[in-house]
Amino acid sequence: SQQGEEDPQALSIQEGENATMNCSYKTSINNLQWYRQNSGRGLVHLILIRSNEREKHSGRLRVTLDTSKKSSSLLITASRAADTASYFCATSTQGGSEKLVFGKGTKLTVNP
Amino acid sequence: EAEVAQSPRYKITEKSQAVAFWCDPISGHATLYWYRQILGQGPELLVQFQDESVVDDSQLPKDRFSAERLKGVDSTLKIQPAELGDSAMYLCASSWLGNGEQYFGPGTRLTVT
Repeated sequence: SQQGEEDPQALSIQEGENATMNCSYKTSINNLQWYRQNSGRGLVHLILIRSNEREKHSGRLRVTLDTSKKSSSLLITASRAADTASYFCATSTQGGSEKLVFGKGTKLTVNP
Repeated sequence: EAEVAQSPRYKITEKSQAVAFWCDPISGHATLYWYRQILGQGPELLVQFQDESVVDDSQLPKDRFSAERLKGVDSTLKIQPAELGDSAMYLCASSWLGNGEQYFGPGTRLTVT
């Protein structure tokens, strides 16, 4: 079962533009994480935001969390062709085994 | 930089055959995960270990899948017999804590013919 739903499913932009991806989830969380996956490879952790946090930054990445709306967004500023990948949100839910549940991902293409 | 190792990277097998995947987590990581990722989908947890104990295997098809982590270090995931629907990427990950950042290996791409 997948808790998070990313939107859009696919996004195509030009180098230098900003990319915004959204994630909605259903149940209360401990934290929400974003991962990147290049084609046919393993996932790479980008950022973790806890349920009591509203915004986090890491380099060109900015993540927001709105627990009242059960949603998060990932903003990549000044995108590069190397940012082309699939991006997944994953939630760690309260009261369970604290496993991560991943969404279906957003496929980002950055055109040079 | 320490990495999660997986082997093989690719495996082609015929249905009804047995297949096994191996994972060596980052040294010192007590929690180890096996995920299955179907093309176009996000990873789905199959089994989670804390040291050598299974914490969650609720999504593991136990009639054909088995997983072990005997000494609390490396782990093996086995499928017997393989079915066409098992074709997927099998990912291993490890972490310090059960709900923290996870480090993924490169995965094993399984094709069942």
